Amino acid sequence: AQKVTQAQTEISVVEKEDVTLDCVYETRDTTYYLFWYKQPPSGELVFLIRRNSFDEQNEISGRYSWNFQKSTSSFNFTITASQVVDSAVYFCALSEVSGNTPLVFGKGTRLSVIA
Amino acid sequence: GAGVSQSPSNKVTEKGKDVELRCDPISGHTALYWYRQSLGQGLEFLIYFQGNSAPDKSGLPSDRFSAERTGGSVSTLTIQRTQQEDSAVYLCASSLGQDTRYGYTFGSGTRLTVV
Repeated sequence: AQKVTQAQTEISVVEKEDVTLDCVYETRDTTYYLFWYKQPPSGELVFLIRRNSFDEQNEISGRYSWNFQKSTSSFNFTITASQVVDSAVYFCALSEVSGNTPLVFGKGTRLSVIA
Repeated sequence: GAGVSQSPSNKVTEKGKDVELRCDPISGHTALYWYRQSLGQGLEFLIYFQGNSAPDKSGLPSDRFSAERTGGSVSTLTIQRTQQEDSAVYLCASSLGQDTRYGYTFGSGTRLTVV
């Protein structure tokens, strides 16, 4: 069975600090996708990134970066120089490549960035 | 439409009443998913549709829950004889196809409160 664990329930940081959100996953599949979504106070989940299991290159997009380590089954998300607008709930999710099963989500990490 | 539309955005109902939640996916998206988000919990999968068929109903929590999709478009999630534990945000998502490489686009959800 697939499982996603986000051990950090809530994190508070001061603006301009860097913050890392942890994600650990379990799957028996050899190929799979990993995702991060952002849920701002408006409630709508916003897609941030999708990563294929066979591509372990880290990715950077502006202030966001993702560290995928297959050896530790982790897909951590770092926000550099955090801003108040980054305050949201962040979800990590996993799916098999075939798509026959829906995305499995972690319980989310609520990030509060204080000015 | 441009995005996934859900209605109503908020619903307060009395225990024991039936409710219908509606999801209007992005035009051309063949896959449609329903998730439930309870306070402090992650996203719990309920059911998904490929076209008008529901290959996976495993997430429906009880026989009080049912869903249908007509014309490969609009979907309705019905909860009969609502209970207080049904209070949650019900999220709908749509995707170009079952293959999760396409990613999901989520609506803003329906917040259901059972009193």
